[in-house]
Amino acid sequence: EDKVVQSPLSLVVHEGDTVTLNCSYEVTNFRSLLWYKQEKKAPTFLFMLTSSGIEKKSGRLSSILDKKELFSILNITATQTGDSAVYLCAAGAGSYQLTFGKGTKLSVIP
Amino acid sequence: GAVVSQHPSRVICKSGTSVKIECRSLDFQATTMFWYRQFPKQSLMLMATSNEGSKATYEQGVEKDKFLINHASLTLSTLTVTSAHPEDSSFYICSAELGTDTQYFGPGTRLTVL
Repeated sequence: EDKVVQSPLSLVVHEGDTVTLNCSYEVTNFRSLLWYKQEKKAPTFLFMLTSSGIEKKSGRLSSILDKKELFSILNITATQTGDSAVYLCAAGAGSYQLTFGKGTKLSVIP
Repeated sequence: GAVVSQHPSRVICKSGTSVKIECRSLDFQATTMFWYRQFPKQSLMLMATSNEGSKATYEQGVEKDKFLINHASLTLSTLTVTSAHPEDSSFYICSAELGTDTQYFGPGTRLTVL
């Protein structure tokens, strides 16, 4: 059974801190790893990673994939209160379905 | 670009009635759309994969006669919750696939069954 595990489940930091969110996966016929940010409603797409070792960046967010260790991290530097959200990791495998982790709830306090 | 809409955003209905939720890709065509369900403080659970012009593929444990999915065009998929019961109350989210693995999500529909 395909599995995606995220850690930690929740995290509280102060504004300006840097955070690292973790995602490990065990899926058959892995194709890609995706990160989403979910605030009050549906998730918004952040990154899709398919190759090991190549960092993707968008502003203060960055992510990298390790296909050997079956692991990805999402980094957020200089956190702001607007970064408070649940961050979801998902693995694309087999057919075109995604398997989601349970998410990491990030709370950034002023 | 890559905007997905859902309608309605919120619906309250009586037990035993049917509710239809629409999912539209506004600026792209999606051969494949997905329907998810999300319980409070939990992650997304895939319910079914909807392919334009063919029958939906349901995940194990999802009743296809209860959750009717129709993908009539490349921009529209509908989910009908038939004979809804309070336990069907949940947040339903659709997504449309643009390219391999890249799914764009609709804003979700909050269903409350009284």
